[in-house]
Amino acid sequence: DVKVTQSSRYLVKRTGEKVFLECVQDMDHENMFWYRQDPGLGLRLIYFSYDVKMKEKGDIPEGYSVSREKKERFSLILESASTNQTSMYLCASTTGRSEQYFGPGTRLTVT
Amino acid sequence: QQPVQSPQAVILREGEDAVINCSSSKALYSVHWYRQKHGEAPVFLMILLKGGEQKGHEKISASFNEKKQQSSLYLTASQLSYSGTYFCGTEGLDSSYKLIFGSGTRLLVRP
Repeated sequence: DVKVTQSSRYLVKRTGEKVFLECVQDMDHENMFWYRQDPGLGLRLIYFSYDVKMKEKGDIPEGYSVSREKKERFSLILESASTNQTSMYLCASTTGRSEQYFGPGTRLTVT
Repeated sequence: QQPVQSPQAVILREGEDAVINCSSSKALYSVHWYRQKHGEAPVFLMILLKGGEQKGHEKISASFNEKKQQSSLYLTASQLSYSGTYFCGTEGLDSSYKLIFGSGTRLLVRP
């Protein structure tokens, strides 16, 4: 059974803190993605990675960075969290150009 | 550019049919459809890869018109389990692996 896991379901951080969100997949997928989901806006791509140590910016990369040191793990980093980064964060993985498998999401609140 | 989904929301009685549309301003390689239930991760429904080709399962099918850069999702004889938010994700001809999602269509099926 395919699986994408995320480190936390809920997270509360203070403004200015450095935040790490981790995603792990067990399907040996080469492609991994980070999205944020906000009401009425759908899923917006932050960053994606098509190989270890490779990354590309998505549509809203400002304020975020990523790290992919191992194939199964893709981390999203908020260097200095701000209140406008309060959102649901979803990780996904895929192989080739096929269906994306999503993790359960992390609801991040920045106060 | 984010694809445009319509309608934004629809309420059905069990057994009724519905159509959800997804329109892009860019030439497309593929269109994905996902359903997300409240509090859960999006789940893959289908991919449309060729113009005019319909792919589906059970009572959910879809079409893809390459020329018009549009896709439609058809839900026939809706069931209570069809309730959720439906997202289309479009992949451009020049953007391997990267999907741009629409803002979603909220579907509620009532008994």
